[in-house]
Amino acid sequence: AQKITQTQPGMFVQEKEAVTLDCTYDTSDQSYGLFWYKQPSSGEMIFLIYQGSYDEQNATEGRYSLNFQKARKSANLVISASQLGDSAMYFCAMREGRGGSQGNLIFGKGTKLSVKP
Amino acid sequence: KAGVTQTPRYLIKTRGQQVTLSCSPISGHRSVSWYQQTPGQGLQFLFEYFSETQRNKGNFPGRFSGRQFSNSRSEMNVSTLELGDSALYLCASGRQGARNTGELFFGEGSRLTVL
Repeated sequence: AQKITQTQPGMFVQEKEAVTLDCTYDTSDQSYGLFWYKQPSSGEMIFLIYQGSYDEQNATEGRYSLNFQKARKSANLVISASQLGDSAMYFCAMREGRGGSQGNLIFGKGTKLSVKP
Repeated sequence: KAGVTQTPRYLIKTRGQQVTLSCSPISGHRSVSWYQQTPGQGLQFLFEYFSETQRNKGNFPGRFSGRQFSNSRSEMNVSTLELGDSALYLCASGRQGARNTGELFFGEGSRLTVL
């Protein structure tokens, strides 16, 4: 069965610094996709970044990058130059199939990030 | 481009009542799925619809049901509400096709409180 583990319930980071949010996953599938979502206090889940299991390069989207280490089954999110608006819950998720396009999203329990001015 | 729209945003019900939540996906998205989020259980998958057919279902009792219409809009219904059904219900839509990756786009959710 697929499983996502986020071991950091909460983290603090100083504004303008970089922060890494940890995510490890477990699956027996060869094809899968990994996703990160941001959930502000408003409740909406905002898609941040995607990494496919066959992608050789780490994904990047603006200030977000995904540090993908397939052998270690880890998919850590790196946020560079933190901003106050980055304060939110962050969820790592997985979905099976090529491109992560099949089945439902399996979520971790999330990490609450607080950015200090 | 409009995002995923969920209505109502907030609602309060009493035990034993039923509730219907609505979701309009992003234009052109034919896949709609529903998730329940609670502090204790986190995010749990309810069901997924594609072209008016339920394609996948999570481990929830039969009190939870859903449907999808020909315009891809979806509704979910919870009958005989229990206190434990209090949660944020999130709807997500996604593109389909071999060239697309599987990211889902979520609405702001419907926050249900059962008294």
